[in-house]
Amino acid sequence: NAGVTQTPKFQVLKTGQSMTLQCAQDMNHEYMSWYRQDPGMGLRLIHYSVGAGITDQGEVPNGYNVSRSTTEDFPLRLLSAAPSQTSVYFCASRRPGTGIVELFFGEGSRLTVL
Amino acid sequence: AQSVAQPEDQVNVAEGNPLTVKCTYSVSGNPYLFWYVQYPNRGLQFLLKYITGDNLVKGSYGFEAEFNKSQTSFHLKKPSALVSDSALYFCAVREPKKGGKLIFGQGTELSVKP
Repeated sequence: NAGVTQTPKFQVLKTGQSMTLQCAQDMNHEYMSWYRQDPGMGLRLIHYSVGAGITDQGEVPNGYNVSRSTTEDFPLRLLSAAPSQTSVYFCASRRPGTGIVELFFGEGSRLTVL
Repeated sequence: AQSVAQPEDQVNVAEGNPLTVKCTYSVSGNPYLFWYVQYPNRGLQFLLKYITGDNLVKGSYGFEAEFNKSQTSFHLKKPSALVSDSALYFCAVREPKKGGKLIFGQGTELSVKP
């Protein structure tokens, strides 16, 4: 019963490096999203997807790319990391349907950019 | 644009006393409101939600929330706090449309002392 799985849990990058944060869910959820959590600012939505092949921008999309080639996976790419991207990143998903349902969150990925 | 505010960064309560964590929102149309809890180094967990109906919503771990449309508030409450309730609490509002985004408040740190 894995739920939402994020890898890696911890990562240290140098400014300018690129990397991908992985997110996978095994609940057949259509909707997936990425948030970043910073002290005093709560969670801010980076990108989201309502299904395979469909992505859209959230509140703070600059510096991040996403793709959704399968229902299960929703990777977040940092093309050229900056210190301002030091944060804890959370992937979340919710099940399909017309009802208003809650998000399921991964355990988070802590990223430090030096 | 929708938004949610949690006016208190921290709430301190003695064990056994009632607790309230405040949340106000702004959204066009009928609001879909949520409370989540985050324990240290973990992802967020769903507590409860308001979609329609009774203004008093009951959720997990003995928590409840009161929806007040005239005051645009959705305060989280518990009649008798436990030390184990100490955590970070987030209020969130969802856009009232298919695929609507979930926007979070900045969070309130609840500390329950024995």
